[in-house]
Amino acid sequence: DQQVKQNSPSLSVQEGRISILNCDYTNSMFDYFLWYKKYPAEGPTFLISISSIKDKNEDGRFTVFLNKSAKHLSLHIVPSQPGDSAVYFCAASTLSSKLTFGTGTRLQVTL
Amino acid sequence: NAGVTQTPKFQVLKTGQSMTLQCAQDMNHNSMYWYRQDPGMGLRLIYYSASEGTTDKGEVPNGYNVSRLNKREFSLRLESAAPSQTSVYFCASSPGGAGTYEQYFGPGTRLTVT
Repeated sequence: DQQVKQNSPSLSVQEGRISILNCDYTNSMFDYFLWYKKYPAEGPTFLISISSIKDKNEDGRFTVFLNKSAKHLSLHIVPSQPGDSAVYFCAASTLSSKLTFGTGTRLQVTL
Repeated sequence: NAGVTQTPKFQVLKTGQSMTLQCAQDMNHNSMYWYRQDPGMGLRLIYYSASEGTTDKGEVPNGYNVSRLNKREFSLRLESAAPSQTSVYFCASSPGGAGTYEQYFGPGTRLTVT
């Protein structure tokens, strides 16, 4: 069963607007959540993370929100830029430090 | 620092052939991982090594073996390749230990089994 779900395979946003990528999880033992960005023919690169003791973490244009009661997290990118066009994976971890990944959302930022 | 390096970048195998994917990291990380990425499936953990000298199965270990050669190197072996193993393979490393979750990925190996 898919413990981490990204239900939107793709998202298109205009440059300058907000991009919101969503992720849901089912395992209540997850205590740390990460977002990775992946360009074609490259490996994923770490973007931002959040611990389960927080509900928000911000880094420049990127903000991650965590709603533990709903088992939902989201990544906000403001303002979106063409260079943000990539596949975004959310990932979750328990104390073991192993990561469980979602299936990814392809973001396209249009001019 | 090169980070995480993987060889080869591309490989085509015939069914039944064997090969080893190589991975090395120069960040002095304790933990290393092998994933496969398939369309619509995200990244799935094949094997991992929490520290030098230890290896454990991940979500999809069947058909693979691993060797943690030393702290730097972690190889993935396909003994008898099958078309179902056509995928992109990523190696990753992390510092390891309590509270360390971020993993650093290599550029990937694209494997096709015909």
